Amino acid sequence: EVQLVESGGTLVRRGGSLRLSCVGSGFTFRAYWMSWVRQAPGKGLEWVANIKQDGSENYYVDSVKGRFSTFRDNAKSSLYLQMSNLRAEDTAVYYCARIVAGAVDYFDFWGQGTLVTVSS
Amino acid sequence: DIQMTQSPSSLYASVGDRVTITCRASQMIKNYLNWYQHKPGRAPKLLIYSTSIEVASRFRGSGSGTEFTLTITGLQPEDFATYYCQQSYTTPWTFGQGTRLDIK
Repeated sequence: EVQLVESGGTLVRRGGSLRLSCVGSGFTFRAYWMSWVRQAPGKGLEWVANIKQDGSENYYVDSVKGRFSTFRDNAKSSLYLQMSNLRAEDTAVYYCARIVAGAVDYFDFWGQGTLVTVSS
Repeated sequence: DIQMTQSPSSLYASVGDRVTITCRASQMIKNYLNWYQHKPGRAPKLLIYSTSIEVASRFRGSGSGTEFTLTITGLQPEDFATYYCQQSYTTPWTFGQGTRLDIK
């Protein structure tokens, strides 16, 4: 059974830093692109970042470029999101998701999410 | 960035009904359109990918270019949730604002 479990979410001060983790199981983690998607309170889903299987390519939404960095440790089947200079608008539930990359890319499995709250 | 606009934003229906949700892209995205179901506190769930490839029963997707639809037939109690379309034509990948489906 495919599972993605996020952790690391907490209350953090504005301007602070935080690292989120996502551990995958039940599949060959190193074979998949992975992604972070977030949902602010009362809002919809927002794509944050993608990372290639070997970590050699990353893509980010403009609002986090220069502040967030995603990386992975395939030996540990783990995905990370390093967040710095956090803003109130970064408050959200952060999901990691597995990407099926093919003719059309899509998210086929998601974690349950971890809540990040940025206090002002 | 490609803007995705869903309509309606909310919808009331009864068990057994058939409902349709529309998603419009601000520019052509060919068939790079996916649909997800999301319930509070749960992981989002893939329903349809590549516009019309069905992963879950009762859910049908159609469309092309800039206009797409998700049709749910024979609504079941577990179908009451929020639905999102998402384009993967180009980064930044973007979602529609969501359509909340509630019991009438």
